[in-house]
Amino acid sequence: EVQLVESGGGLVQPGGSLRLSCAASGLTFSTYNMNWVRQAPGKGLEWISYISSSGSAIYYADSVKGRFTISRDNAKNSLYLQMNSLTAEDTAVYYCANSGNYRLDYWGQGTLVTVSS
Amino acid sequence: DIQMTQSPSSLSASIGDRVTITCRASQSISRYLNWYQQKPGKAPKLLIYLASSLQSGVPSRFSGSGSGTDFTLTISSLQPEDFATYYCQQSSSIPWTFGQGTKVEIK
Repeated sequence: EVQLVESGGGLVQPGGSLRLSCAASGLTFSTYNMNWVRQAPGKGLEWISYISSSGSAIYYADSVKGRFTISRDNAKNSLYLQMNSLTAEDTAVYYCANSGNYRLDYWGQGTLVTVSS
Repeated sequence: DIQMTQSPSSLSASIGDRVTITCRASQSISRYLNWYQQKPGKAPKLLIYLASSLQSGVPSRFSGSGSGTDFTLTISSLQPEDFATYYCQQSSSIPWTFGQGTKVEIK
């Protein structure tokens, strides 16, 4: 059974930083592209970042470009999202999801990030 | 960026009803269109990929169609567990974008 488990969310002040993690099991992590998708409270889904299986290709949504950094450690079956210069607009549940063949196959349960003073 | 527009934003339906949700892309996306179901407090779940392929384990009452800019998700006979919010998503080009969602409620 594929499991993706996010962690690292919490309350952070505007301008602060946070690092999210996503631990994967039940799949050959090193062969899957991975993504972060977020959902602001009561709002829809927003794709924010992609990293290829090897880490050689990385993409970001304009809303986070220059502030967020996606990375992965295939030896640890883990995905990360370093978030800097956080604003209230970054308040959301953050999901990791694997992607193969142009779709988001499996999603974690999400971790809530709240940016507030 | 490719804009995805779903209609309706919400609908009320009864058990056993046939439900259709549409999704329109701002430019052609071929068949790079996926559908997800999300229940309150839960992660989205993939239902349909590449416009019409049913994800493993998803009931056959769900189906998808379309290509280019216009797509449809159909639930042939609505079941109690189908009350949820549905999102379309294009994977034709980065940034991947979602529709605003369609909330399916009990009539």
